[in-house]
Amino acid sequence: KAGVTQTPRYLIKTRGQQVTLSCSPISGHRSVSWYQQTPGQGLQFLFEYFSETQRNKGNFPGRFSGRQFSNSRSEMNVSTLELGDSALYLCASRTGGGSGANVLTFGAGSRLTVL
Amino acid sequence: AQRVTQPEKLLSVFKGAPVELKCNYSYSGSPELFWYVQYSRQRLQLLLRHISRESIKGFTADLNKGETSFHLKKPFAQEEDSAMYYCALSGKAAGNKLTFGGGTRVLVKP
Repeated sequence: KAGVTQTPRYLIKTRGQQVTLSCSPISGHRSVSWYQQTPGQGLQFLFEYFSETQRNKGNFPGRFSGRQFSNSRSEMNVSTLELGDSALYLCASRTGGGSGANVLTFGAGSRLTVL
Repeated sequence: AQRVTQPEKLLSVFKGAPVELKCNYSYSGSPELFWYVQYSRQRLQLLLRHISRESIKGFTADLNKGETSFHLKKPFAQEEDSAMYYCALSGKAAGNKLTFGGGTRVLVKP
């Protein structure tokens, strides 16, 4: 069973640009969550999508947005990039129901560097 | 609001010594607690969850609702236990969103 796949793995952008990150969850998982990981702040929750609907949202500005498609794949977008957006962005999927519903499986992450 | 606190950012122990990672939480209701681990150059992965009441890689964790704690323990640390450990909480009151603590880096010295 393929794991959670995130693309791209690494990217470099400049301030003011925008970026789109993609996440393919484990087959059968309907929930996709996004986290920002930095050395100073640890793991910060961005948002969660379940069956194409945003189910939870963290405390990030509106520049951070996401969506989920009918095949459960998800994308997150960051507009007007700032230096402080440099981080590892982690995607995680879970079934969202039944036994083990809240167990997250993480992808390898997309490392974003903003110059 | 739910919150998870890991008071130690770094724990350094010698091989064979006991190790205990502290985790305290704030939540109104019955939470589901987890420990996740991230080894060097590997993905963040589930170590154990309180519902399972298992011992994984020699680690155990007991949920203490009175003290709102979920400390992770291992009686004899091994060098391969060196990693970043995150305590996490999920609860229905917050739509089952998983909230993570700040993490504790464990360094096991030979």
